[in-house]
Amino acid sequence: GDSVTQMEGPVTLSEEAFLTINCTYTATGYPSLFWYVQYPGEGLQLLLKATKADDKGSNKGFEATYRKETTSFHLEKGSVQVSDSAVYFCALLFLQGAQKLVFGQGTRLTINP
Amino acid sequence: IAGITQAPTSQILAAGRRMTLRCTQDMRHNAMYWYRQDLGLGLRLIHYSNTAGTTGKGEVPDGYSVSRANTDDFPLTLASAVPSQTSVYFCASRTQGRSTEAFFGQGTRLTVV
Repeated sequence: GDSVTQMEGPVTLSEEAFLTINCTYTATGYPSLFWYVQYPGEGLQLLLKATKADDKGSNKGFEATYRKETTSFHLEKGSVQVSDSAVYFCALLFLQGAQKLVFGQGTRLTINP
Repeated sequence: IAGITQAPTSQILAAGRRMTLRCTQDMRHNAMYWYRQDLGLGLRLIHYSNTAGTTGKGEVPDGYSVSRANTDDFPLTLASAVPSQTSVYFCASRTQGRSTEAFFGQGTRLTVV
């Protein structure tokens, strides 16, 4: 069935380091892809999205490109900050039939000053 | 304030008891979702509803039921709680469409003892 697999965490980096969080998916058709972020003690909020192949979503310095050939949607940021510490979730919106929104297992990111 | 509201915020429940988690949104979103969040397992979809009057099963529906009598409300019921249902529960809603984001409630922390 449709699923999302994220790289396992936790991930710990120093401030200004380069970040990559891997996400791959399995789906029929052409799903939409999202990254959500959860700051401590809060609910999830949308970080960025892409709805078709080769689309690049971007927000707050984060980017992810919808790669249909590798079924991937990796999250990247060139220079992370302490305030980026959070849990990041990759998500897939299955569009054929029922619109189910499924999430990966989340990656906890900690940025040290 | 527009948004999505969950109640209660937290609850300790004796095993075998019945419990309904409430979720209300005032954004007139068609689709609503219930997830549980467990450490290391990310967000898992319990049930969803694409429109009032319809519901569907997600990844982990056993032991849970939902109803969608109107657009705004999407309660989740545990008929007879078990300790494995100890989790943080999130409700979300979105308008249907390829790129629309989901909005999340603040979560309900449920402990079954």
